Amino acid sequence: EPEVTQTPSHQVTQMGQEVILRCVPISNHLYFYWYRQILGQKVEFLVSFYNNEISEKSEIFDDQFSVERPDGSNFTLKIRSTKLEDSAMYFCASLWGLAGGTDTQYFGPGTRLTVL
Amino acid sequence: GNSVTQMEGPVTLSEEAFLTINCTYTATGYPSLFWYVQYPGEGLQLLLKATKADDKGSNKGFEATYRKETTSFHLEKGSVQVSDSAVYFCALSNQNRDDKIIFGKGTRLHILP
Repeated sequence: EPEVTQTPSHQVTQMGQEVILRCVPISNHLYFYWYRQILGQKVEFLVSFYNNEISEKSEIFDDQFSVERPDGSNFTLKIRSTKLEDSAMYFCASLWGLAGGTDTQYFGPGTRLTVL
Repeated sequence: GNSVTQMEGPVTLSEEAFLTINCTYTATGYPSLFWYVQYPGEGLQLLLKATKADDKGSNKGFEATYRKETTSFHLEKGSVQVSDSAVYFCALSNQNRDDKIIFGKGTRLHILP
């Protein structure tokens, strides 16, 4: 069964450093998302992406964040200068988008980001 | 705006007990409703979903019915197992193709053998 994959599974970085989290969505999906989950809290939407541009972004997704689909398969989340409060589990999701609104978003296993 | 409220955890039950986790929502229009499960150390898995009023989603013995009149989507299972121990998230999205999912805070479930 096709699945969303994410790398790395765990990333440790120093405050102020740039990190890139990588995702490979399901191959025929058209919509892509990033969410995050701070430890013990709920999952929060960050950004959605379609047709090579951002569809929607949350208040969390400030100028320190960016997303890119550099080729036909990868979808990346970049944090330019990490802060302690960026420590969280980051989930990528993808959706086919052609089922008239009854589609399902499929989530990857997540990348745990630890900022020291 | 849209939101999801689910019962606070943790919920602790004995094996074979009946489970209910309450979930209510606030939304404009007709959202799709979901239950996601997160097993220890793992990512989010879709457990079940319903896309219109009175639909019942079911999977692995779990069920939830889309109740528009009470804006609820309670999760039930008749006989829980130790392996059901996890965090359960109620969620919704508007039925636009690219709409984000809004999650509840999650309910941690512990099943004792």
